[in-house]
Amino acid sequence: DIQLTQSPSTLSASVGDRVTITCRASQSISRWVAWYQQKAGKVPKVLIAKASILENGVPSRFSGSGSGTTFTLTISSLQPDDFATYYCQQFNSYPYSFGQGTKLEIK
Amino acid sequence: QVHLEEAGGGVVQPGKSLRLSCVASGFSFRNYALHWIRQAPGKGLEWVAVISYDGSQKYTAESVKGRFTISKDNSKKTLYLQMNNLRSEDTAVYYCAREAESVGDQYFQHWGQGTLVTVSS
Repeated sequence: DIQLTQSPSTLSASVGDRVTITCRASQSISRWVAWYQQKAGKVPKVLIAKASILENGVPSRFSGSGSGTTFTLTISSLQPDDFATYYCQQFNSYPYSFGQGTKLEIK
Repeated sequence: QVHLEEAGGGVVQPGKSLRLSCVASGFSFRNYALHWIRQAPGKGLEWVAVISYDGSQKYTAESVKGRFTISKDNSKKTLYLQMNNLRSEDTAVYYCAREAESVGDQYFQHWGQGTLVTVSS
């Protein structure tokens, strides 16, 4: 089974900051990674698929990169609406798996 | 547009059974694989199970294998999760989710609102 490890688990940042979240896979998963945003009490929303492809309607301040075992989600300039929890997910092989999440907090 | 609506959650005693359902609309139900994903209170997301578009292939997480069964009824546009021998650690919000449009894009593009299952005596 493929394990995903996100870092950091918690990130404190300010509006306007550039932040990066890393997701490491226990084995190569090519580019079969998606990133989700979940706000408190809400349903997860996909932001990025196949490591770097922005979903329709997602602001361009979000970007993804990586392949193999290391992936990153970057927010270029944090907005108040971005404070949430972020998850990576691999769809390379079953059982699918998620990272443990990164909570992005206001500093 | 795509809509998924779960039902069937509630409070159940350990060892008992529960069946969740997810009614779909807004897309051709028989053409898509569907998943169940859960989230324990205050915890992260956990993938639970998937069923192929035609129901011929199913995979479940090790944590529920032998206890949970995924199925779908294309005529009713409904996805099911039969949960047997429930444990306290199965307490979670259960989401159904549909994959993206393109072949190979097996990430979760559409989610239902979730239904809460609480296993407690």
